[in-house]
Amino acid sequence: DVKVTQSSRYLVKRTGEKVFLECVQDMDHENMFWYRQDPGLGLRLIYFSYDVKMKEKGDIPEGYSVSREKKERFSLILESASTNQTSMYLCASSLNSAQGNTGELFFGEGSRLTVL
Amino acid sequence: AQTVTQSQPEMSVQEAETVTLSCTYDTSESDYYLFWYKQPPSRQMILVIRQEAYKQQNATENRFSVNFQKAAKSFSLKISDSQLGDAAMYFCAYKETSGSRLTFGEGTQLTVNP
Repeated sequence: DVKVTQSSRYLVKRTGEKVFLECVQDMDHENMFWYRQDPGLGLRLIYFSYDVKMKEKGDIPEGYSVSREKKERFSLILESASTNQTSMYLCASSLNSAQGNTGELFFGEGSRLTVL
Repeated sequence: AQTVTQSQPEMSVQEAETVTLSCTYDTSESDYYLFWYKQPPSRQMILVIRQEAYKQQNATENRFSVNFQKAAKSFSLKISDSQLGDAAMYFCAYKETSGSRLTFGEGTQLTVNP
């Protein structure tokens, strides 16, 4: 079974702090994603990566950056956390669709971040 | 840009009854995938069912089935013989065949009443 592990289930940070959210997958997936989940808004894509050191902006990249130094690990960074970044953050991974796969996402359990 | 709309923020169903969750999407593509994901309370999001747009036959997975209407750009999920464990947030999602990213709807919170 695919396993996507997010390092922290719950975090509480203060405004202005730098926040790291870590995600590791164990199935050699090419693609990794960071989504943000808010009530009434569904899941919105922040950033995704299709290969090591490669990244693309999603729909709401402002205030976030990412790092993918190894294939299995994808980190989301909040350089200076703000209260409007209080949310649930979901990491996901998938195989490359070019190989004929459906590209369905496999999700981690989520990281609930509260910024005070 | 593709959009996915779930017009029912909340739905409820009696145990053992059938419920249908609605989803519409907008795209100019002819080939794509559609998905329904389930997110139980405080648990991981999991895939319930997928549909490939070029297949006319509606997908079925045990008690879960879809009604895929390509011309109407509609993709509803039917849950038969609802169980308490079906209570969850359900998300509809779209993906282009050649792309990697999924676009999600707003979600529908399903309550199953005993």
